[in-house]
Amino acid sequence: KAGVTQTPRYLIKTRGQQVTLSCSPISGHRSVSWYQQTPGQGLQFLFEYFSETQRNKGNFPGRFSGRQFSNSRSEMNVSTLELGDSALYLCASSLVLKETQYFGPGTRLLVL
Amino acid sequence: ILNVEQSPQSLHVQEGDSTNFTCSFPSSNFYALHWYRWETAKSPEALFVMTLNGDEKKKGRISATLNTKEGYSYLYIKGSQPEDSATYLCASHTGNQFYFGTGTSLTVIP
Repeated sequence: KAGVTQTPRYLIKTRGQQVTLSCSPISGHRSVSWYQQTPGQGLQFLFEYFSETQRNKGNFPGRFSGRQFSNSRSEMNVSTLELGDSALYLCASSLVLKETQYFGPGTRLLVL
Repeated sequence: ILNVEQSPQSLHVQEGDSTNFTCSFPSSNFYALHWYRWETAKSPEALFVMTLNGDEKKKGRISATLNTKEGYSYLYIKGSQPEDSATYLCASHTGNQFYFGTGTSLTVIP
């Protein structure tokens, strides 16, 4: 079975721009979660989707949004980028909510 | 926001040594405790999921225990090998979402 894939792997943007990251879960997995990791911080939960519905949202500003499609693929969007948004963004999928998560390789975003 | 703490932050051991790390989490609103191994340039890999107080899980030379009443979990590695070098993450699930610790970075010196 193919693992979780994320595109793009690396991205450079400037302040004020917006960015969309994509995540394709393991086939059959219906839950997709997004995390942000910055130096010195643990993985910070962004949001979780299940069956195209956002089930949980972390403590991030409204500039961070996401969605899930009927094939369980998910996208995450960050508008009006700030320097502090530079981070590794990880996507994880699981069969259903609350179960073991399987992580993708991440998208490393650099905001200049 | 739930505070999950891991100690030590980093660890250097000699090949063959046994080692252990700690994950502390609030015992209220507990649903499950997950351990992950994260090697450099790779994705975090699930090691264990534990839900019951007193749970013990084992995978080769790695094992973990869980105490939900006092809010801690230990991860043990017996006879560390260089390939065990990684960051070990724990995550507490409250039933709503995962809360990750900052990890313990293990370096095994050949």
